[in-house]
Amino acid sequence: QQPVQSPQAVILREGEDAVINCSSSKALYSVHWYRQKHGEAPVFLMILLKGGEQKGHEKISASFNEKKQQSSLYLTASQLSYSGTYFCGTEIGNTGNQFYFGTGTSLTVIP
Amino acid sequence: ETGVTQSPTHLIKTRGQQVTLRCSSQSGHNTVSWYQQALGQGPQFIFQYYREEENGRGNFPPRFSGLQFPNYSSELNVNALELDDSALYLCASSLSQAPEAFFGQGTRLTVV
Repeated sequence: QQPVQSPQAVILREGEDAVINCSSSKALYSVHWYRQKHGEAPVFLMILLKGGEQKGHEKISASFNEKKQQSSLYLTASQLSYSGTYFCGTEIGNTGNQFYFGTGTSLTVIP
Repeated sequence: ETGVTQSPTHLIKTRGQQVTLRCSSQSGHNTVSWYQQALGQGPQFIFQYYREEENGRGNFPPRFSGLQFPNYSSELNVNALELDDSALYLCASSLSQAPEAFFGQGTRLTVV
């Protein structure tokens, strides 16, 4: 039930763009995105609900394709502060009580 | 800072022992979830509590149990500790009607 993320790791130079994908084998009610820096707790970025909506947060946006059971996180004009491990989190059903984090994508932004 | 506090921050236990980890939710949050995060892995959902009742559970054995108190603080209890239980344990609090969860800094448990 754990969603699979790709790529596993990516290295970017400041200003470059990146896409992180999250794919589930189960039908999804919602997808959450988190960023975790080394030694810190995960920090909520955004949630996407069924309906294929796209959301944005500064220069970070995401899409959710419920038919394909996939979500993608888009980081544009990356900054050093974007470095960390990105996790998607998926809800199966709308009760909110079954939540699974993805395998994680390590993102490193270098000057 | 999210307002979710966990204690202790670090703990070393011997195999076979029992451990209790504590989580104080963000003010007003009535839902708490617990996760186990092994080194280099994503958090694994253990269970969720809503208004003092278990409200969902992941693939963890019964020796992982929990409690939520009237003030919405929470405990995670693990009996008969195994070496593989060594991990960072995270709690996250939220409002039932809001999707955003706030994580504590975690408790690093080492079983030797």
